[in-house]
Amino acid sequence: ETGVTQSPTHLIKTRGQQVTLRCSSQSGHNTVSWYQQALGQGPQFIFQYYREEENGRGNFPPRFSGLQFPNYSSELNVNALELDDSALYLCASRLPTGEAEQFFGPGTRLTVL
Amino acid sequence: DQQVKQNSPSLSVQEGRISILNCDYTNSMFDYFLWYKKYPAEGPTFLISISSIKDKNEDGRFTVFLNKSAKHLSLHIVPSQPGDSAVYFCAASFRHSGGSNYKLTFGKGTLLTVNP
Repeated sequence: ETGVTQSPTHLIKTRGQQVTLRCSSQSGHNTVSWYQQALGQGPQFIFQYYREEENGRGNFPPRFSGLQFPNYSSELNVNALELDDSALYLCASRLPTGEAEQFFGPGTRLTVL
Repeated sequence: DQQVKQNSPSLSVQEGRISILNCDYTNSMFDYFLWYKKYPAEGPTFLISISSIKDKNEDGRFTVFLNKSAKHLSLHIVPSQPGDSAVYFCAASFRHSGGSNYKLTFGKGTLLTVNP
């Protein structure tokens, strides 16, 4: 059984550009969430996808958007990048039943210059 | 407004002794609590959780205690080992009505260093 994987590992962009981050959820997990972890902070919830639809969103502007595909993999898109978007972006998946444990991928380190 | 707080940025203990990591929360609607461990360059790893209907949960060397009246939980690691050195995050969750939204709200983390 493979865990949550994310790509790319690192990414450098300039202000104003757009970026797409990818996530493959753990086998059997149909719910995917994205989190942003700034330096020295805990992860902050961006949004969650369940059955290919967004079903929860944190305090992030609309330029943060996402997709979930039929195989439960997911993308996070960020438009009009700002310097403060520099962070570790974490993807997490969970089982369709059971408690709230979420299993995280290794993250994508995004640097905006 | 930070709903989950870990007031100790760091903690240092000797190998073999007990490590106690603390967490406070403000939202009384939280009904599920989790601890994650994070090594550098890795994602958070789930450690242990507890439902609000319990006050204690054990898994090997790890025990989580929940005091709902004080809105406080703690993670005990006994005995501590050098490999336990990592950042520990406390997280809280609640199920929104009508859905399966298990959004996690995290604290800022506590860096645990276990000295040989």
